[in-house]
Amino acid sequence: DGGITQSPKYLFRKEGQNVTLSCEQNLNHDAMYWYRQDPGQGLRLIYYSQIVNDFQKGDIAEGYSVSREKKESFPLTVTSAQKNPTAFYLCASRPGGSNTEAFFGQGTRLTVV
Amino acid sequence: DAKTTQPNSMESNEEEPVHLPCNHSTISGTDYIHWYRQLPSQGPEYVIHGLTSNVNNRMASLAIAEDRKSSTLILHRATLRDAAVYYCILRDPSGGSNYKLTFGKGTLLTVNP
Repeated sequence: DGGITQSPKYLFRKEGQNVTLSCEQNLNHDAMYWYRQDPGQGLRLIYYSQIVNDFQKGDIAEGYSVSREKKESFPLTVTSAQKNPTAFYLCASRPGGSNTEAFFGQGTRLTVV
Repeated sequence: DAKTTQPNSMESNEEEPVHLPCNHSTISGTDYIHWYRQLPSQGPEYVIHGLTSNVNNRMASLAIAEDRKSSTLILHRATLRDAAVYYCILRDPSGGSNYKLTFGKGTLLTVNP
């Protein structure tokens, strides 16, 4: 089945450790996105990528890093510099071009203790 | 970027119509109006989009004001499964910011049995 997959669904890490969240899509979409969501809040854009080997900072990029070495993969690393990393992380993709809809993964809930 | 304003929350009763408003007074002539919804503990899903004319699909209807400064998502008969956060966003298919995709806090819809 075509879709966008985030893994794992739940992730626990100790404070001070870097952690990488996986996002894979087999929809052949050009653009991919990472969002963070805190309880009762909307989605905040962390990073986005329009094409392989290119990505841009979103509104809250500090403490995060990404790579886009393959079209289908857009991993997000939450570094130890991120002061409040516990959150629900969502990945999305959409075709390139103009007015297309985005498809979201089911999210990864990261808890840092 | 043009902004949207939505009520924080709304309530409805099951089997009744729901009208979810969105204000976008600074909308440009090329901005499309998109709606997404997010069920609890899931990623958002696309609902509908439009430019000037009213739009209908199997999920909902979108009514766009003549001056395009506001729009309304209409759920014709609310069900308990429609309880979600509904996001109204603007998408400009032209220009360098085409790929950036940002969400606000949306409207939390509660459906009473």
